[in-house]
Amino acid sequence: DAGVTQSPTHLIKTRGQQVTLRCSPKSGHDTVSWYQQALGQGPQFIFQYYEEEERQRGNFPDRFSGHQFPNYSSELNVNALLLGDSALYLCASSLVPGGLYEQYFGPGTRLTVT
Amino acid sequence: GQQVMQIPQYQHVQEGEDFTTYCNSSTTLSNIQWYKQRPGGHPVFLIQLVKSGEVKKQKRLTFQFGEAKKNSSLHITATQTTDVGTYFCAGDSSNTGKLIFGQGTTLQVKP
Repeated sequence: DAGVTQSPTHLIKTRGQQVTLRCSPKSGHDTVSWYQQALGQGPQFIFQYYEEEERQRGNFPDRFSGHQFPNYSSELNVNALLLGDSALYLCASSLVPGGLYEQYFGPGTRLTVT
Repeated sequence: GQQVMQIPQYQHVQEGEDFTTYCNSSTTLSNIQWYKQRPGGHPVFLIQLVKSGEVKKQKRLTFQFGEAKKNSSLHITATQTTDVGTYFCAGDSSNTGKLIFGQGTTLQVKP
């Protein structure tokens, strides 16, 4: 039973560029959430996708957008990258959007913006 | 907006000593979850608390949810070197799966 997978593992981009990160949820899960974790900080909620729609959103600018596909996998897109976007981006999947189900985190994508 | 504060930020203990981390939310929570993140790793789910005053145990770990559902604690009895890592609480105020994480408590255990 595959857990949550994310690609790529590491990424280096230049300021102003755009990036796409990918996530495949745990088998049987239909809800995907994305988090940004800066060094030494707790994960910060970006948004949640369910049934191919954005259901919840955290305090992130519109430069952060996402998508969920019919197979439940998801993408996180960040436009006009800033140095402050350097972080570990975590994808988490759960059975349903409700809070009573644990979230399974993937290994993350380490994004460095230079 | 909702905030979740966690203390202490760091804790160094001798192996065999006890450890406690505390979590406080600015708003009432529908549930709170605890995660452990090893250095270089990703958060791994430990437990979820839902009911006011709830206490749950997992071997040497004891989790409590406050009566007002705004605070929680994790206590580890007789720490071991395998307990090393950062412990995060994460609150959900609307039962939607939108988790607000605390800053975490990093535990170091000296053998």
